[in-house]
Amino acid sequence: AQSVTQLDSQVPVFEEAPVELRCNYSSSVSVYLFWYVQYPNQGLQLLLKYLSGSTLVKGINGFEAEFNKSQTSFHLRKPSVHISDTAEYFCAVTPNSNSGYALNFGKGTSLLVTP
Amino acid sequence: GAGVSQSPSNKVTEKGKDVELRCDPISGHTALYWYRQSLGQGLEFLIYFQGNSAPDKSGLPSDRFSAERTGGSVSTLTIQRTQQEDSAVYLCASSPKEGVNIQYFGAGTRLSVL
Repeated sequence: AQSVTQLDSQVPVFEEAPVELRCNYSSSVSVYLFWYVQYPNQGLQLLLKYLSGSTLVKGINGFEAEFNKSQTSFHLRKPSVHISDTAEYFCAVTPNSNSGYALNFGKGTSLLVTP
Repeated sequence: GAGVSQSPSNKVTEKGKDVELRCDPISGHTALYWYRQSLGQGLEFLIYFQGNSAPDKSGLPSDRFSAERTGGSVSTLTIQRTQQEDSAVYLCASSPKEGVNIQYFGAGTRLSVL
């Protein structure tokens, strides 16, 4: 089984400042890793994914994440945030397989960007 | 093309009533998932359909919950004799059969049980 821990439930940050949202996972098998974003009253939108290869992955809206196997981490970063980045962010993991498996989600991190 | 569509977007019901929630996946996607999002529990897997295979029901919290998928497309999640603890947002996702399991989510149905 896999599990995900998002270490911060809330992250307040000023506009144009950098941000890092932390995610650690636990798994006995190789995994795929994802970050999803949820804006108020909307569904989940895929930000980026790590499947294999380069450990630094880039996603939409200027976000990137780095897979660190030794630290079992997949932290999300953005060098300069905007007000519109205010949302809930979820880290998720699933077994490294082309078969269908449910996503295991972290509890989410609420990013609040203020002027 | 259209994304995952869920209806209704909001549902208010009385305790003890049955409710049906609908999910229309992305055209051509053979896999369909239901999740529940609640304040206390976060995002929880409920059930997974893949083609004509038997569904994975391992996440259903009780026998009051059931789901079906007709014709390999539209799915209905049914909750019988609703309880207040069933209040949550129910999210549906679909993914293509081939390749990596990347799931695309609908906007969800917000269920409120009074």
